[in-house]
Formats: sequence, structure tokens, C-alpha cells
Amino acid sequence: GEDVEQSLFLSVREGDSSVINCTYTDSSSTYLYWYKQEPGAGLQLLTYIFSNMDMKQDQRLTVLLNKKDKHLSLRIADTQTGDSAIYFCAESIRPGTASKLTFGTGTRLQVTL
Amino acid sequence: GAVVSQHPSRVICKSGTSVKIECRSLDFQATTMFWYRQFPKKSLMLMATSNEGSKATYEQGVEKDKFLINHASLTLSTLTVTSAHPEDSSFYICSAPPGTSGRFTDTQYFGPGTRLTVL
Repeated sequence: GEDVEQSLFLSVREGDSSVINCTYTDSSSTYLYWYKQEPGAGLQLLTYIFSNMDMKQDQRLTVLLNKKDKHLSLRIADTQTGDSAIYFCAESIRPGTASKLTFGTGTRLQVTL
Repeated sequence: GAVVSQHPSRVICKSGTSVKIECRSLDFQATTMFWYRQFPKKSLMLMATSNEGSKATYEQGVEKDKFLINHASLTLSTLTVTSAHPEDSSFYICSAPPGTSGRFTDTQYFGPGTRLTVL
């Protein structure tokens, strides 16, 4: 069955880099996503990566994928207080429209001054 | 960008009553919408897939008679929690894919969620 795991909590100082990790078990996962959830709000898609990619960078965000170990990470450079939120990784086996997403347990990022 | 709204944002009800939650796609049509449930400090769990013009598809373990889904139009899906009990208290989130092209970037847009508290 599908299982996506994350550490529950991460605290970093403003200006430092944050690294949020995710492991998954479904080897047929083809598309991997990172979502951000601010308090009391829905989910916002931050970035995504295909399983045939190792890395993707988008401004302050860098996604690393180790398909062999089924490990995904999200690095946020120069972390700001506005980055404080819960971050979910998610995976699906096909793209877009009607794809079923399996979410990780979520990592709460706390940014301190 | 695509916007999905939910109403109400928060509802408190007595045990045994039914509660209806609406999910609307505001600037696009959605033949499919998804309903998720999120427990405190837990992940989102897919409850069901709402299909316009046909019956919803429920995930294993989700009682379809308990959680009634109606996809009334291409912009509206409703989730009714029937005979609610305290264990139904949760954060319910809907999502809708904005397109039918099947492109990877046609990912799901999420509503802001509805917090249900059953006393």
C-alpha cells in the first residue's frame, strides 16, 4: 500500500536554510509534490518533480529526489517568518486532473527570529 | 489563478444533526472534485471523488451513507455529514483540478477548508 512519511516538526532561525524530508513506499509513484498549508487555510502547491528527475530548483526552493531510496526533500533557502507553515509532500502515479494524491503526514516549520 | 471556495468556513452543530458543506470552483469548471478529511496534526486523507453527473467514488472505509456527496453542477459539489457525531469533528477540505487536458501542471486547487465541530 501507499505510505508517505515526514518528520513532524522543524525549527530554524530566520535566514538559515530549511530542509524538509519525505519518504514514500510506492515505487510506482511518478509525480511528487510539495504543498504548503498556512493556519486555517487550504493547500498551496509549491513545486513538483517528475520521478525521472533528480533535482529541481525554483527560486528559493530546491527539490531533491533519490528514487532508489524513495526519499524526497525540500530545501528552502534564506527561510523567512512567512515560510512558517505545515509542508506536505504528496505523490501520485499519474498527472493532473483526476489523479489521486497520497499525502505525507506533514512537517510543521517554525521560523524563529 | 484558479480559485476554489468552501462554505461555511466553520460550523458547530449538535450531535445527531446533519451538516452540508459546499465546494465551489469560482472561475473554472470541474467535472471532478475531491473531498479530504484532515485530523489534527495529521495528514489529509482522501474520502471520496465527486463526479459531476454520476455517483461519487468513495475510498475504502468511508461510509457513503454517512458522507453524502452531490456534484450538482460543474462548479459545485456538496458534502453532507449525516447524523453527525463528535468523532466526525474534523477539518474537511475539497479540491478541484482546473482542466481536463491531463497536463501535469493541471494539479488540484484546494479550498480553504471547513472546520466541523460536533458537540
